[in-house]
Amino acid sequence: QPVLTQPPSASASLGASVTLTCTLSSGYSNYKVDWYQQRPGKGPRFVMRVGTGGIVGSKGDGIPDRFSVLGSGLNRYLTIKNIQEEDESDYHCGADHGSGSNFVWVFGGGTKLTVL
Amino acid sequence: QITLKESGPTLVKPTQTLTLTCTFSGFSLSTSGVGVGWIRQPPGKALEWLALIYWNDDKRYSPSLKSRLTITKDTSKNQVVLTMTNMDPVDTATYYCAHRLSSSWSIWGQGTLVTVSS
Repeated sequence: QPVLTQPPSASASLGASVTLTCTLSSGYSNYKVDWYQQRPGKGPRFVMRVGTGGIVGSKGDGIPDRFSVLGSGLNRYLTIKNIQEEDESDYHCGADHGSGSNFVWVFGGGTKLTVL
Repeated sequence: QITLKESGPTLVKPTQTLTLTCTFSGFSLSTSGVGVGWIRQPPGKALEWLALIYWNDDKRYSPSLKSRLTITKDTSKNQVVLTMTNMDPVDTATYYCAHRLSSSWSIWGQGTLVTVSS
């Protein structure tokens, strides 16, 4: 099954842009990844799914246009433009693997985004 | 509007069995393609997927916890129940249930914190 690696922290100034990275382990370059936002003290919220061709399907409810994704090789990126205070959150990536009795869902360690 | 809410004990003793209930609205677990899953998050740590049940009663479990988990559904009550046996302090976490559609966890509950301590 894939391993998803995320930097533990990131920061950006109000109004700036930031790109968060989720890296799949070797051999899983064709996998799609979900991004989830988790504001302090809240449950996660689906942002969008990304593959090597970009977004897969639709964004989650209420996700602003400032959020976009790209996929390249083993990396899946989430870019937030014009960062707002409400974007300060933990961001988790996740992916499913296998089917039937071999199905598993794996999450990365999460990245804590601080808005300066 | 889809909503989910977790309920259950906030404190369990080591070796006890935990039973959590997810009560949902805004969708039916008898609709083709729909699933409900459980994910947990120990304090300050990463999310960990636990179990998933589909509209057709197909079930999936985390391989590392499979022997301790049971997931069931009551479609008439719009509920999904997760039981976890032989609880240990390392199982202390916030437990979330989530609606699954098109391979993503589209809507999550607010979570319920379960502490395992004697």
